[in-house]
Amino acid sequence: GAGVSQSPRYKVAKRGQDVALRCDPISGHVSLFWYQQALGQGPEFLTYFQNEAQLDKSGLPSDRFFAERPEGSVSTLKIQRTQQEDSAVYLCASSLARGLRTGGDNSPLHFGNGTRLTVT
Amino acid sequence: RKEVEQDPGPFNVPEGATVAFNCTYSNSASQSFFWYRQDCRKEPKLLMSVYSSGNEDGRFTAQLNRASQYISLLIRDSKLSDSATYLCVVGPLNSGGYQKVTFGTGTKLQVIP
Repeated sequence: GAGVSQSPRYKVAKRGQDVALRCDPISGHVSLFWYQQALGQGPEFLTYFQNEAQLDKSGLPSDRFFAERPEGSVSTLKIQRTQQEDSAVYLCASSLARGLRTGGDNSPLHFGNGTRLTVT
Repeated sequence: RKEVEQDPGPFNVPEGATVAFNCTYSNSASQSFFWYRQDCRKEPKLLMSVYSSGNEDGRFTAQLNRASQYISLLIRDSKLSDSATYLCVVGPLNSGGYQKVTFGTGTKLQVIP
């Protein structure tokens, strides 16, 4: 399909393991966002890419979290030494817009169906 | 105070009823407002933007009150398929030229036959 694709759909990791979550945005979408959604909460911003440039990583909870988008398309969110509090759904969203009004109805955020991470 | 606050619900309403949700935001510089819908274990999807003058899309009406810093969503003639969590989304204009929107925790709606 032509939507945002995330893999894996589910990931179970033992505490201390490293994980890598992949996001394939919609082709041609300039903006890419990562969000973390805990149970019963709304999505919380993690980081933002405009093409290959990571313009905002203020939402990353610790230096164990790292994201990249080296060629301006596929992005990977890596979590090192996972902890139980990292358990959540990780959502990727892409948007056509480069800048102003990202998320507006002329350039809405298109979300992938997320990766559900469980750290045991 | 949270940036974006919503009553988590659940709102249990019979089919055909009218239901309204409010959402308050703390940043008076906010410029963009949206309602997203999230079905259980699915990703959020844009329902509608919220414009200053208010806007309507079929059975859905969105309003913005800048003075009191809240937005609302009204659903008329509720359908079973409206059952979902409704996320309020607010975005100031970031100095970098993009909008880092903030999501509320969502209001759960259950429409009952």
